[in-house]
Order: sequence, then structure tokens, then C-alpha cells
Amino acid sequence: AQSVTQLDSHVSVSEGTPVLLRCNYSSSYSPSLFWYVQHPNKGLQLLLKYTSAATLVKGINGFEAEFKKSETSFHLTKPSAHMSDAAEYFCVVSDLFSGGYNKLIFGAGTRLAVHP
Amino acid sequence: DAGITQSPRYKITETGRQVTLMCHQTWSHSYMFWYRQDLGHGLRLIYYSAAADITDKGEVPDGYVVSRSKTENFPLTLESATRSQTSVYFCASSESGEGTYTFGSGTRLTVV
Repeated sequence: AQSVTQLDSHVSVSEGTPVLLRCNYSSSYSPSLFWYVQHPNKGLQLLLKYTSAATLVKGINGFEAEFKKSETSFHLTKPSAHMSDAAEYFCVVSDLFSGGYNKLIFGAGTRLAVHP
Repeated sequence: DAGITQSPRYKITETGRQVTLMCHQTWSHSYMFWYRQDLGHGLRLIYYSAAADITDKGEVPDGYVVSRSKTENFPLTLESATRSQTSVYFCASSESGEGTYTFGSGTRLTVV
């Protein structure tokens, strides 16, 4: 069965410094991986997705993630944090469900705080 | 406006009462989902639907009922609410079910 582990429950950075949110996955085959973001009192929004094309995936708002099969990782990065990046981030793996569609399996989330 | 809307945004109910959470999408997406979000658990799938009149259980279906008589609506009913069902509930839709989902803004349900 597929699973994801987000290695940090909270990350705190200063505005203008790099962001690194870590995610490891477990999969018996080549997975589809996603990062979703949830701002306070909002629904989840897709940041980016990996579906076995380029290993470096660019998403919205300057975020990107690199798929590393040898390390089973899909870490999310951004060169320079902005105050508006403060949110909860979910690493997600797609698993083929019995109904024939891809079920999303969510990590527990990483809360990113950005300080002035 | 186009999109996926959930109602109500907030709901307080008493133990044992029946409550229905509504979800409506305007894209005619085939797939719709209900998740609950609890601290330390991320999001867990309650039920999903691949098309009108086709529904199936997710990871945590006990105590919930769904229906999908029309493509655009996917209500979630708690038949007899319990305190353990206090949570934030998210509805989502997907055109193909491949993993790109659009989420509603959520319903915060408190069972007292």
C-alpha cells in the first residue's frame, strides 16, 4: 500500500529565506505525487504534481519539488519565502483504488510559519 | 459562480441527531469525494462517487451515508451524530479521478 510521511509537523522561516518541506513516500510502483496547500479556513489547493515526466516539477507561487526515486523523496522547496506562504502543506500520493480510480493518500501535514 | 460549494460552513448539532452536509459542483466532474480532517490524521476519505448513482466506501465510512442522484450534488449524512464525528469535512471533485482534485472550503461540524 502507498503511504507518505511528512518529516516535519512545523517549519518556521524568516521572510526572504529558503523553504524546505520534506516528504518521503512508500510505493510499490511508480507513483503520482502531489503537494497541496491549505490556507487558514480555506479548502485545499493544488500546488504541483509529479506524474513520471520531468523529475523536477514547478508549481504555482514559485514552489517546486524534486522526485528522487533512490531516496523515495518528494521535497517541496521555494528559494525565498513570502509572508503569504504561511499555511499548511500536504504531501499526497495517488494510489489505485479498488473502484478503478486514483485515491489520494494524504500526509499528516506541515505547518509553515513565516516571520518578518 | 462556477466552482465547488459546501454548506453550511459551520454547524453545531447534538449527539444522536441526523445532519446533512451539502456539496455542489458546477463542472459536471464525474468523481466526487468526502474527506474529514482531524489533527494528526491529515485527510481521510469517507466516501467517494465515480458517477451519478455510483458510490463506494473509503477509509472511514462508519456512521455516514451518501447519495448521488445528480452529477452535481453529493450530500453527506450523519445518521446519528456522535462526538467523534466532530471534524472539518471537505468535499472534492475530479474530472478524471487521476489525482487532481478541486476542494470546497469545508464544513466545520461540532457535535455536542
